[in-house]
Amino acid sequence: NAGVTQTPKFQVLKTGQSMTLQCAQDMNHNSMYWYRQDPGMGLRLIYYSASEGTTDKGEVPNGYNVSRLNKREFSLRLESAAPSQTSVYFCASSAYPTGGTEAFFGQGTRLTVV
Amino acid sequence: DQQVKQNSPSLSVQEGRISILNCDYTNSMFDYFLWYKKYPAEGPTFLISISSIKDKNEDGRFTVFLNKSAKHLSLHIVPSQPGDSAVYFCAASAASNDYKLSFGAGTTVTVRA
Repeated sequence: NAGVTQTPKFQVLKTGQSMTLQCAQDMNHNSMYWYRQDPGMGLRLIYYSASEGTTDKGEVPNGYNVSRLNKREFSLRLESAAPSQTSVYFCASSAYPTGGTEAFFGQGTRLTVV
Repeated sequence: DQQVKQNSPSLSVQEGRISILNCDYTNSMFDYFLWYKKYPAEGPTFLISISSIKDKNEDGRFTVFLNKSAKHLSLHIVPSQPGDSAVYFCAASAASNDYKLSFGAGTTVTVRA
């Protein structure tokens, strides 16, 4: 039972490069999320998708774009990476609104922008 | 401005004793609260939750207490075990915000043998 799968697990980018973080869930969940974790800050919501084709900004959306490709997949794109985007990125999903509100997380992507 | 605060960055406890983790929140719209546990190089995993209509929820060694008037919740782990050494995140959500989670900064628990 895979749950939430993120790729890649590690990435180093140069300032100005672009990349897409991939996320897929196999729990038939409606809601999907992208968070970033920084030291002393906990996890902060970047973007949220309540269903296929819908996305909403979270607390820290600047510099990011997202795509909810289908019910399973939710990708996060950095168009022009900046050192401030060095962080650990987590994708999550939940069954809300048709089920529980608990979010299930992937293993994370550790991104370094130099 | 962080709406969920965990003011103790770390906690060290002896194996077999009680661990008490604290969390405060400022948004009175929060009506569902959760604790997550995180090991290094892994994603957070859901531990226990409590609705605002309750003041206590228990699951095995883990108990969460909610004091709505004080906007405070706590997680008790009894007895603490070496496998409990991890970072614990408090999270809160509101029906009015589609239950999107707001997290505290985390408390690192170390259980000493």
